[in-house]
Amino acid sequence: RKEVEQDPGPFNVPEGATVAFNCTYSNSASQSFFWYRQDCRKEPKLLMSVYSSGNEDGRFTAQLNRASQYISLLIRDSKLSDSATYLCVVAAMDSNYQLIWGAGTKLIIKP
Amino acid sequence: DTGVSQDPRHKITKRGQNVTFRCDPISEHNRLYWYRQTLGQGPEFLTYFQNEAQLEKSRLLSDRFSAERPKGSFSTLEIQRTEQGDSAMYLCASSLDGYTFGSGTRLTVV
Repeated sequence: RKEVEQDPGPFNVPEGATVAFNCTYSNSASQSFFWYRQDCRKEPKLLMSVYSSGNEDGRFTAQLNRASQYISLLIRDSKLSDSATYLCVVAAMDSNYQLIWGAGTKLIIKP
Repeated sequence: DTGVSQDPRHKITKRGQNVTFRCDPISEHNRLYWYRQTLGQGPEFLTYFQNEAQLEKSRLLSDRFSAERPKGSFSTLEIQRTEQGDSAMYLCASSLDGYTFGSGTRLTVV
């Protein structure tokens, strides 16, 4: 079983729609959680950290469920520019906070 | 530019040749990480430095791979006797609190 699992997609979504991704992680000692965005052939860029209380940044909302060991990302009013791969990432103190990455979920926003 | 710099951006090499990549982290960041990313996968951890000390190496880092961070500033990653399976994007990240990634070095072994 992979340490961080994501649905690879692609998710084909019309512009303006709401889309949600989930991610599950296996290490219960995980302490830090992130969503990264990666455009084709570019480096990953931090989209948002995920806090236990959930957090929102504009059209993006992230949630953490420690009991079930999953993280979610919700994108509202999706834009063409949201098309990218979204990577779920966790880190744990017992692994020197090295980042453990999911394989990513590909999102395609259609006009 | 005060971000993380990686050089070269692209490298094409023949199988069996040695290659070396360089990473210049953000100057005040004491932690430096190397990751490798193949197509359709998330990045995989290779190795980690705290200042000049290499504190952890992944099992992915075979004997052909070596990394250094001699003065706790820039780091190099060398691959000896490259194989086609080494073709990937090699990402460097530095960290103080959060992570900052470089643009990566894309290696193609032909």
